[in-house]
Amino acid sequence: GAGVSQSPRYKVTKRGQDVALRCDPISGHVSLYWYRQALGQGPEFLTYFNYEAQQDKSGLPNDRFSAERPEGSISTLTIQRTEQRDSAMYRCASSLGGTGANVLTFGAGSRLTVL
Amino acid sequence: GIQVEQSPPDLILQEGANSTLRCNFSDSVNNLQWFHQNPWGQLINLFYIPSGTKQNGRLSATTVATERYSLLYISSSQTTDSGVYFCAVEETGGFKTIFGAGTRLFVKA
Repeated sequence: GAGVSQSPRYKVTKRGQDVALRCDPISGHVSLYWYRQALGQGPEFLTYFNYEAQQDKSGLPNDRFSAERPEGSISTLTIQRTEQRDSAMYRCASSLGGTGANVLTFGAGSRLTVL
Repeated sequence: GIQVEQSPPDLILQEGANSTLRCNFSDSVNNLQWFHQNPWGQLINLFYIPSGTKQNGRLSATTVATERYSLLYISSSQTTDSGVYFCAVEETGGFKTIFGAGTRLFVKA
């Protein structure tokens, strides 16, 4: 697509439920990032994919968080057994990847509220 | 991991004024990018600038990689420049990109 598309834009869920957030990157972009941004703070790195390979997941806070990109395009970030502290804006970015070409383009984000 | 520090944390300008935002980083990086988060929450890439100087209209940026800092210049500021400016660096040895805490800019009419 023309830009990075994220869905849903807003998600309200009850504590303990699982949520899945979707990211559709720019066509042809091989690199895909997930970030979490709390109110008033900078984006916090969660995980990075190169094609379908998850090359860095050091930022995932705990084992309730997981991400996949099975065909090297669309990615899903899943949060199991949500907690109130998971409430944040979840942002996805994509890039052409590679040295000198890692210009990140962000989607509009998915705002998650856990009650 | 690498530390990214931005200053000042907050800035209020009168429309038409100029400003300089600074980003310091604690280690060598592959590249550095500047972003603007507008009041609607959109994150827009302003510059991809691992070294040297680039200009885009009223904005320009300079990165001195050997001294581990970058500067973003805003000239003749406008109310639409308001928002948060983030610096982000890509760690060497991989593609992990780390953001600073941002500079919150408010431009008064």
